[in-house]
Amino acid sequence: GAVVSQHPSWVICKSGTSVKIECRSLDFQATTMFWYRQFPKQSLMLMATSNEGSKATYEQGVEKDKFLINHASLTLSTLTVTSAHPEDSSFYICSARDRGAGSNQPQHFGDGTRLSIL
Amino acid sequence: AQSVTQPDIHITVSEGASLELRCNYSYGATPYLFWYVQSPGQGLQLLLKYFSGDTLVQGIKGFEAEFKRSQSSFNLRKPSVHWSDAAEYFCAVGVPGNQFYFGTGTSLTVIP
Repeated sequence: GAVVSQHPSWVICKSGTSVKIECRSLDFQATTMFWYRQFPKQSLMLMATSNEGSKATYEQGVEKDKFLINHASLTLSTLTVTSAHPEDSSFYICSARDRGAGSNQPQHFGDGTRLSIL
Repeated sequence: AQSVTQPDIHITVSEGASLELRCNYSYGATPYLFWYVQSPGQGLQLLLKYFSGDTLVQGIKGFEAEFKRSQSSFNLRKPSVHWSDAAEYFCAVGVPGNQFYFGTGTSLTVIP
């Protein structure tokens, strides 16, 4: 149980393109999902917290107009990297927590999306 | 402020040897503690968690971790390492408000 599916797993695109990444909870409902960014050989950095039916909460230094987050249902959150540039190339990982679960419960992670901007 | 420290960036052990990965945290109350493992190019898999009760917790794949409040530590251990355990390991602290704080990770290499 508690499977999180992330799609696509790898995307390569030209500079200036907008890229959408999907994060789905397959067998549970998630009112809250999280988006992380991971640079090579580094830890996960929380970008934003996605809340179903409301605006996402962005961490300091993360451009909300650059990284658009939509959480339209209890099983789907999307991250759109707008007008992507080479410096946006990274590994993006989403996670979700079961609806009603408290902060003592683990987050369930997707397999990540490797984004390469040429 | 909350923080998680994994002092060892990289550890190499021989297959069959014991393993201990260190994790120290800074938080004003008793935190919720987690260990995750990440294989190359993949997401994170939960190994084990602690939030109350017995300070020695058992996880999957033969891993265990011990919460020591006096040392603000939550070290991960395994008695006998297998080659398939080679991966990146992350310690995380969960705080009220749903946020997680991750350590910088420890890369484990297993040699035959």
